[in-house]
Amino acid sequence: AQTVTQSQPEMSVQEAETVTLSCTYDTSESNYYLFWYKQPPSRQMILVIRQEAYKQQNATENRFSVNFQKAAKSFSLKISDSQLGDTAMYFCAFISLYGSSNTGKLIFGQGTTLQVKP
Amino acid sequence: EAQVTQNPRYLITVTGKKLTVTCSQNMNHEYMSWYRQDPGLGLRQIYYSMNVEVTDKGDVPEGYKVSRKEKRNFPLILESPSPNQTSLYFCASSPGLAGVQETQYFGPGTRLLVL
Repeated sequence: AQTVTQSQPEMSVQEAETVTLSCTYDTSESNYYLFWYKQPPSRQMILVIRQEAYKQQNATENRFSVNFQKAAKSFSLKISDSQLGDTAMYFCAFISLYGSSNTGKLIFGQGTTLQVKP
Repeated sequence: EAQVTQNPRYLITVTGKKLTVTCSQNMNHEYMSWYRQDPGLGLRQIYYSMNVEVTDKGDVPEGYKVSRKEKRNFPLILESPSPNQTSLYFCASSPGLAGVQETQYFGPGTRLLVL
């Protein structure tokens, strides 16, 4: 079974500093996507960044970047120049692209609550 | 504006009283899905639909029903709600063309309390 693990329930960072959130996953498949979603206090699920497994280059979106290590099945999120608005719960998620397990199901980690302090 | 909408956003009900949470998307997406979010468990899939009239169970389907009569709508039905269905519910959709699953876009969530 595919699983996603976020081992850091809570983290904090000072405004303007850099923080890294960890995520590991387990799968036997080779074609998949990985995501980081942000959930602010409003509870809305907001896509932060996406990584296709077949791409070796790490995805970046402005202040957000990932370190994708396919062999190690690791997918960490780095937030640079942290802002107060980054305070939220962050979820790592996995989805299989093809095969018998193609239910379109996003498999989520347990989430990491990030607090950005002024 | 491209979006997924859910109604109601908040609902308090009593055990056994049937309720429906509506979900609608305006992006002509093939794929739609329902998730529930519980503390410490992340989000778990309840039901999904690959296309009109095609639905299937996710990981936690017990106590729920869905239908997909139109492409844009995917209501979640709780025939006889119980307190363990108290949760935050999300509807999501994605293009899902040719069975390929890509980025899913989420509705704003429905917070349900069953007394």
